Amino acid sequence: AQSVTQLDSQVPVFEEAPVELRCNYSSSVSVYLFWYVQYPNQGLQLLLKYLSGSTLVKGINGFEAEFNKSQTSFHLRKPSVHISDTAEYFCVAKGAGSYQLTFGKGTKLSVIP
Amino acid sequence: NAGVTQTPKFRILKIGQSMTLQCAQDMNHNYMYWYRQDPGMGLKLIYYSVGAGITDKGEVPNGYNVSRSTTEDFPLRLELAAPSQTSVYFCASSYQDRDNQPQHFGDGTRLSIL
Repeated sequence: AQSVTQLDSQVPVFEEAPVELRCNYSSSVSVYLFWYVQYPNQGLQLLLKYLSGSTLVKGINGFEAEFNKSQTSFHLRKPSVHISDTAEYFCVAKGAGSYQLTFGKGTKLSVIP
Repeated sequence: NAGVTQTPKFRILKIGQSMTLQCAQDMNHNYMYWYRQDPGMGLKLIYYSVGAGITDKGEVPNGYNVSRSTTEDFPLRLELAAPSQTSVYFCASSYQDRDNQPQHFGDGTRLSIL
């Protein structure tokens, strides 16, 4: 079984500033990790995924995340945010051999002009 | 590419009414899923299917039913709508031959029970 904790429910940040959205997970088996983004009134879109190998994962729209096994974290980062990044972001875990996704409760990123 | 298509996008029901939320995918995915999303709670799995004719319960199945007669379609049925079923419903699909396949989501159905 897995659990996912997103440490911040809301993150306001000024345009062109850097941002980090925090995610911690726990799992009794090997786990795959994903970040999904949900724009207002839309479905979820995959940003990036960590399966194995390099711990730094690059995704779409300039986002990246770093898998840290010792700290059981998978934080999402972007060096310079745009207004268009305003959305809700979900950290998601999937246990090896499982069909089921475990979602965090989401972090709402608000980019301030 | 259509991907995962959900209909309707919005619906208001009265308590006790029934309805079917439609979901179709054109990616030949074998796995399909229904989730509900409530504010501040992430997504919870209602039902899933690993192929035509095979369905199983997820985390929150009470009050819902599903069927999977074809690979493409996975409708979700509410038999007796209750206010607690007011939510946003998402259908998703994936090609599940390996663990690393992500799920693809539809745009959601926003359902209000009054």
